Amino acid sequence: KNQVEQSPQSLIILEGKNCTLQCNYTVSPFSNLRWYKQDTGRGPVSLTIMTFSENTKSNGRYTATLDADTKQSSLHITASQLSDSASYICVVRSGAGSYQLTFGKGTKLSVIP
Amino acid sequence: NAGVTQTPKFQVLKTGQSMTLQCAQDMNHEYMSWYRQDPGMGLRLIHYSVGAGITDQGEVPNGYNVSRSTTEDFPLRLLSAAPSQTSVYFCASSSGEIGDTEAFFGQGTRLTVV
Repeated sequence: KNQVEQSPQSLIILEGKNCTLQCNYTVSPFSNLRWYKQDTGRGPVSLTIMTFSENTKSNGRYTATLDADTKQSSLHITASQLSDSASYICVVRSGAGSYQLTFGKGTKLSVIP
Repeated sequence: NAGVTQTPKFQVLKTGQSMTLQCAQDMNHEYMSWYRQDPGMGLRLIHYSVGAGITDQGEVPNGYNVSRSTTEDFPLRLLSAAPSQTSVYFCASSSGEIGDTEAFFGQGTRLTVV
């Protein structure tokens, strides 16, 4: 069964600090991996997508990495801001057919002043 | 610049009642889908559509119906509400196969069944 595990479950950091969120997956065959940001009371918004051949991709202060060999991805947030407080969801697409997505449970990040 | 619009934002139903959650998008996307989000769980796919007149079941379709008569609208019907359907519901649309193209989500409908 395809699975996506995210860690930690929750995280509290001081404004200005960096943090790294982890995503481990057992999805086969792998097609791509996407990170979403979900603000409280809102729908998820895509941050970045990683395909099999990509190791690193940046979107402003967000940098995602992918190790397809170990089936791990990370999302690194640099110089955190209060607006980064949200849940971050890792979603892996399987190449096995339509709508074959496996969602992680998310990491809830709180940035405090 | 509306994107994906869901109505209502909040709803309380009694067990056994029926209702329709509305979803409309103005981006001319062919692909639309409904998810539910429960505490401690990832988003789960209820139903999806790859174009007007075409729908299919997702992971958790029981108790829900959908139809897609236009490109813009994709309503989700609860036939006979049960407390287990208490959840936050999200509608999403994308220009292509979801996962390959960016999905745009609505703001969600928080449903409580008592």
